[in-house]
Amino acid sequence: DIQMTQSPSSLSASVGDRVTITCRASQGIRNDLGWYQQKPGKAPKRLIYAASSLQSGVPSRFSGSGSGTEFTLTISSLQPEDFATYYCLQHNSYLFTFGPGTKVDIK
Amino acid sequence: QLQLQESGPGLVKPSETLSLTCTVSGGSISSSSYYWGWIRQPPGKGLEWIGSIYYSGSTYYNPSLKSRVTISVDTSKNQFSLKLSSVTAADTAVYYCATTPSFDYWGQGTLVTVSS
Repeated sequence: DIQMTQSPSSLSASVGDRVTITCRASQGIRNDLGWYQQKPGKAPKRLIYAASSLQSGVPSRFSGSGSGTEFTLTISSLQPEDFATYYCLQHNSYLFTFGPGTKVDIK
Repeated sequence: QLQLQESGPGLVKPSETLSLTCTVSGGSISSSSYYWGWIRQPPGKGLEWIGSIYYSGSTYYNPSLKSRVTISVDTSKNQFSLKLSSVTAADTAVYYCATTPSFDYWGQGTLVTVSS
């Protein structure tokens, strides 16, 4: 099975900060990775697919990069509505695995 | 625009079987674009994929749950269902249905509590 790790597990940041979250896969997954944002009491929302493609309707301050085993999600200028938990998800094999999540809260 | 909605009991007794249904609207469950999946999230914890099914009935399950999980599809009702047997308190979670492998459409989630 492919295992996913994320770092950091949590971070505190201020509005306007640049934020980077890293996701690592235990084996190569090409670019079969998505990033999801989840707010309390809500279903996750896809932000990025195919590692670097922006989901329609998602602000351009979100970007993704990487391939193989290392991936990053960057928020270029953190906005108040971005405080949430972020998950990566691999779908390289039909045994999908989520990363453990990164909680972004207000500094 | 696809919409997914979970339904089922919110309380299940230990050792019994959890049963949930996901109703798909705004599109056909027989679409070749998707597998239809179940995901769960214990309170305060992360997301866990449970399994997925294609409209033809082909299934994939998380190995950690495979012995207790059955996912089925009813194309006539545009629904798919989850059964999880021999539940314990550790199965208490919000259960979501979603399109897979894209995970771009999700239901709102339903909390299932395992308690006597």
